[in-house]
Amino acid sequence: EVQLVESGGDLVQPGRSLRLSCAASGFNFDDYAMHWVRQAPGKGLEWVSGISWNSGSIGYADSVKGRFTISRDNAKNSLYLQMNSLRAEDTALYYCAKGLRGVIPYGMDVWGQGTTVTVSS
Amino acid sequence: QSALTQPASVSGSPGQSITISCTGTSSDVGGYNYVSWYQQHPGKAPKFMIYEVSNRPSGVSNRFSGSKSGNTASLTISGLQAEDEADYYCSTHTSSSTLVVFGGGTKLTVL
Repeated sequence: EVQLVESGGDLVQPGRSLRLSCAASGFNFDDYAMHWVRQAPGKGLEWVSGISWNSGSIGYADSVKGRFTISRDNAKNSLYLQMNSLRAEDTALYYCAKGLRGVIPYGMDVWGQGTTVTVSS
Repeated sequence: QSALTQPASVSGSPGQSITISCTGTSSDVGGYNYVSWYQQHPGKAPKFMIYEVSNRPSGVSNRFSGSKSGNTASLTISGLQAEDEADYYCSTHTSSSTLVVFGGGTKLTVL
């Protein structure tokens, strides 16, 4: 069974850092692009970042560029999101999603259940 | 403000058909055949419904179909059922540095 399990969400103060992780299983992780998508309470989906199968192509939403860093460890079947200089507007449920193909532009066919990040003093 | 424009809400009666639009520009919807659609029920993770404009993943009902004309993509649901009531989001590749954009979402109500 294809599965994505996110972890690392927490309540943090503005300006602090947090690292999210996503453990993948049930598929050849190193064949596919991976993404982070977030959803603020009561709001729509927002693409945060994506990374190609070999980390050769990486993209970020303008809202997080320069503050967030996506990475992956294919040996550990894991995806990460390092979040620095967190702001109140980063408060959201963060989903890990599997890309349909090895490069970023295609759809996301498998989603985790999400991990909650709350930024508040 | 979302990069792709969707109607905030649509509604239909059981058995009817509805269409949800997703309008972008030549830099995203109009420029690539990478439009995807997602269904999200309250409190649940999104579900992949359509990819590359009009393709259905295995397991998705053939009542769901996608199309594109110019800078506007569309999701049509035929034979509406109560279980179709959910939020629907479009997404596609963009030539900007952002790479991927979502629509603002459309709430479908089955009357």
